Amino acid sequence: DSGVTQTPKHLITATGQRVTLRCSPRSGDLSVYWYQQSLDQGLQFLIQYYNGEERAKGNILERFSAQQFPDLHSELNLSSLELGDSALYFCASSVDGSGTWLFFGEGSRLTVL
Amino acid sequence: GQQLNQSPQSMFIQEGEDVSMNCTSSSIFNTWLWYKQDPGEGPVLLIALYKAGELTSNGRLTAQFGITRKDSFLNISASIPSDVGIYFCAGLTQGGSEKLVFGKGTKLTVNP
Repeated sequence: DSGVTQTPKHLITATGQRVTLRCSPRSGDLSVYWYQQSLDQGLQFLIQYYNGEERAKGNILERFSAQQFPDLHSELNLSSLELGDSALYFCASSVDGSGTWLFFGEGSRLTVL
Repeated sequence: GQQLNQSPQSMFIQEGEDVSMNCTSSSIFNTWLWYKQDPGEGPVLLIALYKAGELTSNGRLTAQFGITRKDSFLNISASIPSDVGIYFCAGLTQGGSEKLVFGKGTKLTVNP
């Protein structure tokens, strides 16, 4: 158990819909990262927050947005969903924002039909 | 952008065999990381390498940071069934997660 909690574990929805994925970091970790894992693409970095503020942005689509709240939990919002958005979405956390010691959650599996 | 070429893509071995996988890039990295992802789980950090030429062990796992800083390898000795999973390399150029680049993974299957 990494200490990072993600909900929901599984989500099935239709194209055009909007979903919110939630992440609670390890106790004491200030930084949260979101990654997308598709079948053939490996882990693609989406976005990072540190202590409530956006720290870095990767290949995140404009239809996606995220935020980190004062209690340090984070939400990833995916809107106007397309079939290609079906993937595993991982949240990771670290004490600082250095990107080295990341602890990953178990992921949220999104299926868009 | 920066890419990591991880090979092999998959491996099928017998229990007890040694395993070797590697990661190469055209870019220089300051840190190399190796993660393992068990089925249905998130990746877990196995080994972190911080200096060119560094050789680090974690139990039956040994990893090295290439001298050129453009490659790394991971060896697993005397494989056991619980070694099954996907092994990812990741390279970090400097502080900042936007520079943490993952390889596409090596899927390891161990036959008892």
